[in-house]
Amino acid sequence: AQTVTQSQPEMSVQEAETVTLSCTYDTSESDYYLFWYKQPPSRQMILVIRQEAYKQQNATENRFSVNFQKAAKSFSLKISDSQLGDAAMYFCVFNFGNEKLTFGTGTRLTIIP
Amino acid sequence: DAGVTQSPTHLIKTRGQQVTLRCSPKSGHDTVSWYQQALGQGPQFIFQYYEEEERQRGNFPDRFSGHQFPNYSSELNVNALLLGDSALYLCASSLLTSGTQETQYFGPGTRLLVL
Repeated sequence: AQTVTQSQPEMSVQEAETVTLSCTYDTSESDYYLFWYKQPPSRQMILVIRQEAYKQQNATENRFSVNFQKAAKSFSLKISDSQLGDAAMYFCVFNFGNEKLTFGTGTRLTIIP
Repeated sequence: DAGVTQSPTHLIKTRGQQVTLRCSPKSGHDTVSWYQQALGQGPQFIFQYYEEEERQRGNFPDRFSGHQFPNYSSELNVNALLLGDSALYLCASSLLTSGTQETQYFGPGTRLLVL
């Protein structure tokens, strides 16, 4: 069974600064997918970024980028130029074979104006 | 292009009652997954439907059942409601027949309160 661990229950960052959220996972699979989803107070789950395990290149989406270390089973999210609208709960998510998503426990990100 | 929709948005029931939640997938998607999110926790997988069949199931009792219709929409039914069933129920849709790993996109959720 796959497990996802987010060791930072809460993080805060000054507006316009950079913050990194950590995630580790455990799996015996070699070809899988990792995601970061965010859930603002509205509780709508929104996709932030996706990484294919077979790709060595780290995914980027505008101000969001990941540091994917397959051997270490680590998948961190970096948010650059933090904005007030980035405040949300961030979930690290594992997926294999188009099956169920396995969520971490989440990191609540607060943006300080 | 309509995204994933869910109804109702909120629901209040009493213990022992039955509830039905509905989900319409994103246009072009053929697979629906359901998740339960208790307050302060990450979502937990309930089950996934594809081609009107339950494709995979999480660790939930038989009180939780589902259905998928020919138009790919889906229902989640919960019988004999317990206080612990109070949660946000999320529906996610994806495309399975593409042959590639597809992203699951979520609806806004249904908030269920059991009194």
